[in-house]
Amino acid sequence: GQQLNQSPQSMFIQEGEDVSMNCTSSSIFNTWLWYKQEPGEGPVLLIALYKAGELTSNGRLTAQFGITRKDSFLNISASIPSDVGIYFCAGQRNNDMRFGAGTRLTVKP
Amino acid sequence: DTGVSQNPRHKITKRGQNVTFRCDPISEHNRLYWYRQTLGQGPEFLTYFQNEAQLEKSRLLSDRFSAERPKGSFSTLEIQRTEQGDSAMYLCASSYEGNTEAFFGQGTRLTVV
Repeated sequence: GQQLNQSPQSMFIQEGEDVSMNCTSSSIFNTWLWYKQEPGEGPVLLIALYKAGELTSNGRLTAQFGITRKDSFLNISASIPSDVGIYFCAGQRNNDMRFGAGTRLTVKP
Repeated sequence: DTGVSQNPRHKITKRGQNVTFRCDPISEHNRLYWYRQTLGQGPEFLTYFQNEAQLEKSRLLSDRFSAERPKGSFSTLEIQRTEQGDSAMYLCASSYEGNTEAFFGQGTRLTVV
């Protein structure tokens, strides 16, 4: 089962608003990954984080690797309708990659 | 390279039948992962290959499940004597050794009726 606690479970926001979601674990991970999944499709990699404290951006997306190596957050700035989907965090340790249960994002135009 | 490819995209089968799914990873990716995803959940790890060697299997992978990667390229996941609880999306991902970024295919959605 899931070992990562991802919150919030769902978000309903207005277009143009910023979004923040996070992931916590009782275990230390070496890498944190953030994926987006749309209905009927596989997850698509958004951002990968490799070092504790690392802050990485990909366009309007910004993610950070927590300094304790047990957490990560993802921010989306100035949301647009195509940001709709389910966002998953994934923690990786050696060859083991575990996922959170996802944050479902709905953006109202 | 068009990315990770999975076939079929959808499979409907009767309970008790055997099914086999195929995954073609990104060329030169020597790591290949299988995950299962049920509605409202994140992907759950099933098994992992490095080249042709199956290095890890989850407790979720019962004796009815078997995965192979005979030549270190494509992989197959077979489910024998399917049960309704096997209904899920089966996802394949691949990565290059030394690089932890894993890329997923579009998945195979299995429905057992």
